[in-house]
Parts: sequence; C-alpha cells; structure tokens
Amino acid sequence: DAGVIQSPRHEVTEMGQEVTLRCKPISGHNSLFWYRQTMMRGLELLIYFNNNVPIDDSGMPEDRFSAKMPNASFSTLKIQPSEPRDSAVYFCASSGLEGSSYNEQFFGPGTRLTVL
Amino acid sequence: KQEVTQIPAALSVPEGENLVLNCSFTDSAIYNLQWFRQDPGKGLTSLLLIQSSQREQTSGRLNASLDKSSGRSTLYIAASQPGDSATYLCAVLTNSGYALNFGKGTSLLVTP
Repeated sequence: DAGVIQSPRHEVTEMGQEVTLRCKPISGHNSLFWYRQTMMRGLELLIYFNNNVPIDDSGMPEDRFSAKMPNASFSTLKIQPSEPRDSAVYFCASSGLEGSSYNEQFFGPGTRLTVL
Repeated sequence: KQEVTQIPAALSVPEGENLVLNCSFTDSAIYNLQWFRQDPGKGLTSLLLIQSSQREQTSGRLNASLDKSSGRSTLYIAASQPGDSATYLCAVLTNSGYALNFGKGTSLLVTP
C-alpha cells in the first residue's frame, strides 16, 4: 500500500490567495483526519470525517477554512483567503481497517504551507 | 481536556546507550496510546500502539510501556544508533474522542 498521499508537499503563496491541500487516504480506511502542526501549538486536529461525513470540525480555526470529502478516496482542505498565520505543516491521517488496531492512525508526509 | 506532556524536551546521548523517553497524560480514560517518530521536514511514522488493556509493546530495539492508572508511558530504546536521531511524539486517544492528543515531543540526538 502506498500509504496516505498528500499534495502538494510544499506550497508557498501570498497573503489573500486561495490554497487547496489534497489527501488520498489508505484504501479501505473509513476515517480521515486533518491535523495542523506549528511550533507553538504542536499537532492539533482540524476536522474529522467518518464514512465521508464531517463529524467534528470544531478545530477549524475560522470560516476561511473549509474541508470536503466527496468520496472515500479523496479529501481537500481549502484556505480562502490565506494569511501568514496559517503557515504550518498540514497533515492528513486515516484509520479504520478492521482488526485490533483499527483505531491506529497513519499519517501522510504533510504539506508545508508558507503564506508570505 | 486531555493534556499530554513529554519529558525531556530534548536529549543528546552517545551511540550505544540505552535511553528512556517519558510521556504523561492527565485523563486515564484512554482507548490507546501511540508513539510516533518524526524526522526533520518529514511526516509521522507510527512506531508502536498500545491498547488500553495492554501493558507494553515491543518492536525490535523499541519497547513501550503503559501504566494507565498513573497516566504514564515510556519508550525505551536499546543500544541507540545515530539513525535513531529524530523527534519522538506520544499521542493518546481518549475513550470519548477520536482525535489523537499529542505531546510536544522529545528531540533525540544520538552522537557517533
């Protein structure tokens, strides 16, 4: 299995621009998570999907952030308009295969976002 | 809210030493605990997962223990190697949630 795939790996944009991050979870997983990592706050959950349905988006900072999961193999996280304080590494993770470790989360390589 | 603390924040050891990384959490009602490794500029690699009913898990030179009642976990690395240099993150999944609560990590440097 290729693991969780994220694109792009690096994104540099200017303040005010729209940014779209993409994620392909591990095939067969039914849970998908978006996390953000910063030096100050560490890793924090932004949003959680189960069976393509958003269950908890309380971690989404504000209305500038939105996430979708149109099918079981694809999710996007969009920031519009972007601000310098959004600069961080954004991770996608998935879990949910049957078995004793079905809650084990597997992380993608992350997208390093820099907003100038 | 679950608070996860990792001590020390940074650690430097000579190659060959055995070492212990510590993780503590405030809410003992956990479902499982995961230890991750993160290399600079890279993603998170899951090292070990301990279910709440388990006391420890082993993988190669790594051994993780869990004492749920006291809210503690340790990651033991035997015969450390320079390739072990990375940041090690502890994360807890509580019974009431689905999001992992992460510590800030321990940055490990193993010198040749």
